[in-house]
Amino acid sequence: GAVVSQHPSRVICKSGTSVKIECRSLDFQATTMFWYRQFPKQSLMLMATSNEGSKATYEQGVEKDKFLINHASLTLSTLTVTSAHPEDSSFYICSARGSYNSPLHFGNGTRLTVT
Amino acid sequence: AQSVTQPDIHITVSEGASLELRCNYSYGATPYLFWYVQSPGQGLQLLLKYFSGDTLVQGIKGFEAEFKRSQSSFNLRKPSVHWSDAAEYFCAGEEITGGGNKLTFGTGTQLKVEL
Repeated sequence: GAVVSQHPSRVICKSGTSVKIECRSLDFQATTMFWYRQFPKQSLMLMATSNEGSKATYEQGVEKDKFLINHASLTLSTLTVTSAHPEDSSFYICSARGSYNSPLHFGNGTRLTVT
Repeated sequence: AQSVTQPDIHITVSEGASLELRCNYSYGATPYLFWYVQSPGQGLQLLLKYFSGDTLVQGIKGFEAEFKRSQSSFNLRKPSVHWSDAAEYFCAGEEITGGGNKLTFGTGTQLKVEL
């Protein structure tokens, strides 16, 4: 079945540094990728939607300059948390879909801890 | 605005007992509906989905869900729960809009299984 690989699974960084998270679709071309954030014991909150070759669409309240999303190819999207702060510590999950109405496939998430 | 509600935050059942997790949706039109399962520190796995047609949907791992338009519900069921089913379960709805599909998650139900 369709597989989405997310890397790294865990990352610890110091406050003020930037962290890049990769999301790859391994056996299909992902026209659309989504980035979610999940706080402990809470649901997934959509941060942004990215379509290959175009700018990401951010949800209300998500800082586009802080969470940089790049979807340069049909198999790769990246989320860069810039100038990370402890409050950015969270579980970030990407998902991807091939065609317009095909199901979403999720990565295994990235646990970001900012010290 | 579209929303998905999971009334139960926690549910505990005995192994071998039957299970029903509740999900209600509020959309302008009938959305696509999904159930996902998440193990600790992991991404989401799709259990089943409803797009149209037969209102009783069979999924993986012995799960099924029934779409009831009159009740705006899409409850997840399993006749006999196994200890390995302990996890977080998310109901999600997706509405096709001119701006593209967007998946909205419920707040999740934590399932504990007593041996």
